Amino acid sequence: KAGVTQTPRYLIKTRGQQVTLSCSPISGHRSVSWYQQTPGQGLQFLFEYFSETQRNKGNFPGRFSGRQFSNSRSEMNVSTLELGDSALYLCASTPGVGRGNTIYFGEGSWLTVV
Amino acid sequence: DQQVKQNSPSLSVQEGRISILNCDYTNSMFDYFLWYKKYPAEGPTFLISISSIKDKNEDGRFTVFLNKSAKHLSLHIVPSQPGDSAVYFCAAGNTGTASKLTFGTGTRLQVML
Repeated sequence: KAGVTQTPRYLIKTRGQQVTLSCSPISGHRSVSWYQQTPGQGLQFLFEYFSETQRNKGNFPGRFSGRQFSNSRSEMNVSTLELGDSALYLCASTPGVGRGNTIYFGEGSWLTVV
Repeated sequence: DQQVKQNSPSLSVQEGRISILNCDYTNSMFDYFLWYKKYPAEGPTFLISISSIKDKNEDGRFTVFLNKSAKHLSLHIVPSQPGDSAVYFCAAGNTGTASKLTFGTGTRLQVML
C-alpha cells in the first residue's frame, strides 16, 4: 500500500511570496496532520484535518493555513513567506481518531525561503 | 516549555550491544507514546508505540518501557546494528487530540562496527 505522498519535495521561494504544499494520505486514512521541522525548534505540530474539518491547531501565525478535500488529500499554504519559514514540512496520516492509531509520515517538502 | 525531553543529544554504542534511549515528559494528559527513527532529508519512520495502560511493549529488537509515575519512557534496541544509526525521536499524544503529537528534540544514535 502506498505511503504518505508529499509534493513538491524541494522548492525555493522568495520572501513575501506564498507557497502551497500538497499531501496524499495513505489510502483509507481520513486524518491528515502537518508538522514543521527546523533545526532550532525541532518538530512542531501545525494543524490536523479530519473529514475536511480542522480539528486541532498548533501555535503558528495565521499565515499558515490548510485544508482537506473530500478524498482526504490535504494542502497547506504559507502566505507572505519569511526567511524563518525555511524548514522541512511533514505531512502525516492516520486512519481516524482513537487510541492506538499510529501516525505515518511522508518524506516531507523542503522549503527554502531566500 | 519543553513538554517532551530527550536529554541526550547523542549516543554511541558498539554493534551487538544494547542501545537505550531515554525520554521524559511533563504533561500528565499524554496517554500514548511513540518512537520514530529519522534519517536526514526523510520523514520520520514509525518504530513502536505504547499506551499509558501498559508499561512495556515489544516488537522484534525494539522494546519500549513506560514508567508513568516517573513520567519516563525508554527505547531499548537489542542487538544494535549499524543500520540503526539515525536520529530517534520520542513523541507523546493524547487520545482526544489523536494526531497532535509533541516531539522531543531527538537523540542521534551511532552504532559502531
